[in-house]
Amino acid sequence: QVQLQESGPGLVKPSETLSLACTVSGGSIRSYYWSWIRQPPGKGLEWIGYVYYSGSTNYNPSLKSRVSISVDTSKNQFSLKLTSVTAADTAVYYCAGGAYDFWSVWGQGTLVTVSS
Amino acid sequence: EIVMTQTPLSLSVTPGQPASISCKSSQSLLHSDGKTSLSWYLQKPGQPPQLLIYEVSDRFSGVPDRFSGSGSGTDFTLKISRVEAEDVGVYYCMQSVQLPLTFGGGTRVEIK
Repeated sequence: QVQLQESGPGLVKPSETLSLACTVSGGSIRSYYWSWIRQPPGKGLEWIGYVYYSGSTNYNPSLKSRVSISVDTSKNQFSLKLTSVTAADTAVYYCAGGAYDFWSVWGQGTLVTVSS
Repeated sequence: EIVMTQTPLSLSVTPGQPASISCKSSQSLLHSDGKTSLSWYLQKPGQPPQLLIYEVSDRFSGVPDRFSGSGSGTDFTLKISRVEAEDVGVYYCMQSVQLPLTFGGGTRVEIK
């Protein structure tokens, strides 16, 4: 059974880069597409982007100029980088895996707060 | 981008009674390959979302058969035949026919 675990700093300063990793256990990173989805406190879900094990990516145009998602097959891990963050980027960040058109496995989520 | 609109915003249901959630998309979700790319998720309090239904009506592994999905084109419905206490949370629909993937605003289900 595939499980996901997010890791990374819980506090990022404005204008800096948010960096998170998601470790895939119980299965191969070659099995699915891998996505990042975020949820501001008390609000709904926003898709950030996804990556395939080959490295091909797709991003939400609203974030495209600031976001990068990569995969490291040797570590069974994929990562998110979001540059030039502001308070509006404060959210719970989820990693998820699936068939790219639906997401069947989710991490527990990690709260990232943007504040000085 | 495709806008997903869910109604109602919230629902209070007596255990054992049915519940229904509507999800409407601003464009057809029918893909050129014949699939319709609409999925449903439940986010229980304090937990990540979990997949319930994909491709409109296919229940994900382990999802009780009291959950069912239907619809076509731009109009979709999630039905719970007999609501149980464990069904509380926020339900989201998501379209994946066109990037960016977009979610509905959510419907909160509580137990009376």
